[in-house]
Amino acid sequence: DQQVKQNSPSLSVQEGRISILNCDYTNSMFDYFLWYKKYPAEGPTFLISISSIKDKNEDGRFTVFLNKSAKHLSLHIVPSQPGDSAVYFCAARGGGSNYKLTFGKGTLLTVNP
Amino acid sequence: ETGVTQSPTHLIKTRGQQVTLRCSSQSGHNTVSWYQQALGQGPQFIFQYYREEENGRGNFPPRFSGLQFPNYSSELNVNALELDDSALYLCASGRTSGASRETQYFGPGTRLLVL
Repeated sequence: DQQVKQNSPSLSVQEGRISILNCDYTNSMFDYFLWYKKYPAEGPTFLISISSIKDKNEDGRFTVFLNKSAKHLSLHIVPSQPGDSAVYFCAARGGGSNYKLTFGKGTLLTVNP
Repeated sequence: ETGVTQSPTHLIKTRGQQVTLRCSSQSGHNTVSWYQQALGQGPQFIFQYYREEENGRGNFPPRFSGLQFPNYSSELNVNALELDDSALYLCASGRTSGASRETQYFGPGTRLLVL
């Protein structure tokens, strides 16, 4: 039972355009959501996060939107750059005291020059 | 501030053997979690340690065990290796203080191949 789903295995966009990566979740106990970026041969790098009490968080070119009623979040990258090409993982954390993160399978973003 | 480091970077073992992977947490962090990432999958939570005790466990058998040391470094031990244990093993550290839980930061991982 996959509680965090990234239904698009890959996404290709042109440099300068917007990249939108989507993520759906099923567990209503999740209270914190994170996006990580992963290059080959490296560990995941934290990108941006959002608490379940908010619906938007922005950091530079990156914005995460959360729609709790739809159990859906998205990551917007504007403008996209070739260096953004990587696998993006959506992760969710449940209420409680431990740090368990539940990850989606990832979306490979390719930004073409 | 140093980041999360892991050793070794790559490892080849044969089925039935035992393996120990090591992690050095980021300075100031007091929790460490281990994840297994199989090819084409997202990382799967193995367990988390806080104050040298296991503080949460995912759906992994007891042959996966760990330790956290007073300096917050950590080990992941896997006994009786199986072919399906071949994966990237990721360590993540974070800082918790009471009800406050901060973001986890990942190391580069150890790629384990079981033949």
